[in-house]
Amino acid sequence: DIQMTQSPSTLSASVGDRVTITCRASQSINNWLAWYQQKPGKAPNLLIYKASSLESGVPSRFSGSGSGTEFTLIISSLQPDDFATYFCQQYNNYYSFGQGTKLEIK
Amino acid sequence: QLQLQESGPGLVKPSETLSLTCTVSGGSISSCSYYWGWIRQPPGKGLEWIGSVSCDGTTYSNPSLKSRVTISVDTSKNQFSLKLISVTAADTAVYYCTRLPDSTSGGYWGHGTLVTVSS
Repeated sequence: DIQMTQSPSTLSASVGDRVTITCRASQSINNWLAWYQQKPGKAPNLLIYKASSLESGVPSRFSGSGSGTEFTLIISSLQPDDFATYFCQQYNNYYSFGQGTKLEIK
Repeated sequence: QLQLQESGPGLVKPSETLSLTCTVSGGSISSCSYYWGWIRQPPGKGLEWIGSVSCDGTTYSNPSLKSRVTISVDTSKNQFSLKLISVTAADTAVYYCTRLPDSTSGGYWGHGTLVTVSS
């Protein structure tokens, strides 16, 4: 099994801040990683796939990078709508997930 | 726009079978371009992949659940289904149906449905 370790679990930030969320894989997953945003009671929404490809319609303030075992999601300038939970998913070998990062208003 | 919608009972008794169906709209399972799957999240816990199915019925399941899981597809209805036998309270979770990510795209999820195992 591939374990995904996501950090931090909670992040407090303000509108306009630049924030970084990290996902580490227990073994190389090449670049087979997706990032999702989830709001309470809603379906997870795809932001990034293949580690750095921005899903159509997703604002350009979201970006992803990394390969192998370490990956980051960056939100360049937080907007009010961005306060949500974010999680990563590897799909190199079946599927597994990070524990999630709850992004809160400071 | 692709949409997935889970349906099925929200309450299942211990030792019985959990059955859910996912209806896909805005895309066709029979295009055979993707794998479709089930993922769950117990209250307060992380996400767990349950299993996947392709348009021809080929399935893969999480080894931890494999003996209890059956996933099937009905391309004529654009649906796929999950059966989980011999459920216990540990199977209480929000169950999501998804189009799984692959080499060309990310994943798409339904809203999820809470299934509680209780007598």
